Amino acid sequence: KAGVTQTPRYLIKTRGQQVTLSCSPISGHRSVSWYQQTPGQGLQFLFEYFSETQRNKGNFPGRFSGRQFSNSRSEMNVSTLELGDSALYLCASSLDRLDGNYGYTFGSGTRLTVV
Amino acid sequence: GDSVTQMEGPVTLSEEAFLTINCTYTATGYPSLFWYVQYPGEGLQLLLKATKADDKGSNKGFEATYRKETTSFHLEKGSVQVSDSAVYFCALSGSGAGNNRKLIWGLGTSLAVNP
Repeated sequence: KAGVTQTPRYLIKTRGQQVTLSCSPISGHRSVSWYQQTPGQGLQFLFEYFSETQRNKGNFPGRFSGRQFSNSRSEMNVSTLELGDSALYLCASSLDRLDGNYGYTFGSGTRLTVV
Repeated sequence: GDSVTQMEGPVTLSEEAFLTINCTYTATGYPSLFWYVQYPGEGLQLLLKATKADDKGSNKGFEATYRKETTSFHLEKGSVQVSDSAVYFCALSGSGAGNNRKLIWGLGTSLAVNP
């Protein structure tokens, strides 16, 4: 079966611009989570969506937002880009299991560079 | 709050050497524990997991045992290969809904295996 697909793979933007990243989860997976990965901070949780609703949110400013569509595809948007937003943005999908016994399947990420 | 601490890298080994990457955690309740691996230029892949105390996760020759008494989940492999060169991440998640469902990550340990 197809894995988690993230587009685009690479992106270069200018400070002050906005960007939209896309994630298509594994078929049948209803939960999509987003993470930011940087050398200094490691992996940090952005948000999680399930059935088009944001279920959980990390400690990021309001410039970071997301949404999920009825087909479970998700997008995240970053407005008014800053140099510090340069990072690898990872999307992960999972089945929704309440017992915590689950694992994410990650996409290959979108490498965002802000200049 | 919950946290994960991994040994710092980089770790450099010769092929067929024994590998240990230490991971300790702080968490309330009974988290699930994971090891993920990230190969160069790729996203994260679930390597193994354990969901309760004394569980042993294993995959591709790697093993880790959930030790509640020492709050540890050390990764081991008896004989590493060049193809094991990657960055390894330890992570935990809570067992309930809501905020517990996000993954908390260690900073990663880079492993380089020389022929």
